[in-house]
This record gives sequence, structure tokens and C-alpha cells, in this order.
Amino acid sequence: DTVLTQSPALAVSPGERVSISCRASEGVNSYMHWYQQKPGQQPKLLIYKASNLASGVPARFSGSGSGTDFTLTIDPVEADDTATYFCQQSWNDPTFGAGTKLELK
Amino acid sequence: QVQLQQSGAELAKPGSSVKISCKASGYTFTSYYISWIKQTTGQGLEYIGYINTGSGGTNYNEKFKGKATLTVDKSSSTAFMQLSSLTPDDSAVYYCARLGANWEGDYWGQGVMVTVSS
Repeated sequence: DTVLTQSPALAVSPGERVSISCRASEGVNSYMHWYQQKPGQQPKLLIYKASNLASGVPARFSGSGSGTDFTLTIDPVEADDTATYFCQQSWNDPTFGAGTKLELK
Repeated sequence: QVQLQQSGAELAKPGSSVKISCKASGYTFTSYYISWIKQTTGQGLEYIGYINTGSGGTNYNEKFKGKATLTVDKSSSTAFMQLSSLTPDDSAVYYCARLGANWEGDYWGQGVMVTVSS
């Protein structure tokens, strides 16, 4: 299986820029997707295929990367962005990262 | 608008089976595959498999072969997942998600909590 490694948690202040990383154990081309999940809710697609903004998602969210290293950037961060962010690859048998919990200071 | 409405929470005994549903609306059901995902606190998000809603063809994560069975009823735009021989390790929230063109989950159901306990 392709293992996706994310840092477990980050804390930032509103208005700052934050980058959340995801590293794949093997190349996944550009088939990396990002989701936001708030407590008690289902995941919501933010970015698909590394850098494409999903429908209805604010332009504060962006994605980059290819191969094994990917980044989700939120700029500027807002209070409502408190959530866990997951990466998922679909180049090989699909797998998810363990998630990065974003907290606001 | 695209919606995936899942059935309600399940409390099941070890060794039994449950069948949960995922009713789609707001789009042409057979134009998109439906995937199923398991979420637990310990294991995070795990991909169970997907079903071709047009043909009924399926693809399973090796880990869930023999545990999950995916089916579809095109007449009601509903996908189903049956979980069999339940153990406490099957306790989790189960989501269905529509698969987009790049195999991303572009819309998700609200999730079904399955609790396996004697």
C-alpha cells in the first residue's frame, strides 16, 4: 500500500498562511486529493488532482506538488478553518493520510 | 444539488450482518461510481471499495474482501454495502462517496455509525 504521511497537528493565528504537507511512500503522479473534516461531519473535498479547486471551495485554499510531495495551503486562515485535513491518493490502490488537525491560536 | 443520503445508525451483535444504504439524488446515478470508506479513531480512513453503478461491477480493497459486499439498485438510485460476520473491530463510521473523474470523493454521505456489541 502507498503510505501517506502527514504531520499530526498545526496551530496558527487567523490571517496567517499555513501549509499542510503530505508525503507519499511512492510516486502517485498528480493523483493526490485533499479533504476537510470538521467534528461530526463527513469529509469535504477541497482540492483534486493536486492543484484543482473543488466546486464551491474558497480560493484561500490551494494545492501543489507531484510525485511524492504535496502541499495544501490556506491563505489567509480563518476561524472556520479549524478542522482535520486529509490527503488521499488514487494513483495506486486508494489510501488516505492520517490527517493533520489544524487549530487556531 | 448532489446529495448522498445514508441510512441510520446500526447496533449489531457479533457474528451478525448489517446492510447500509446510500441514496443518491441530484445527478444521473449511473454516470458515477460509488465508493465506500471506513473511519475509526484508531485506523483513520480506510478505502473499502467501489461499485460501477451502471454495470454493478465491483472492486474491493484486499482487506475487506469477504467482509463487505457492494450492490446497487439502479431503479432507486441507491447503493448498498453489506458487512458480514461482524466483530467489534467493524465498529466504525461508514461513508459512501461519489467518485469523480480523477477517483476523488467529490460528494460524501453523512456517514453511518455501526456499533458491534453483545
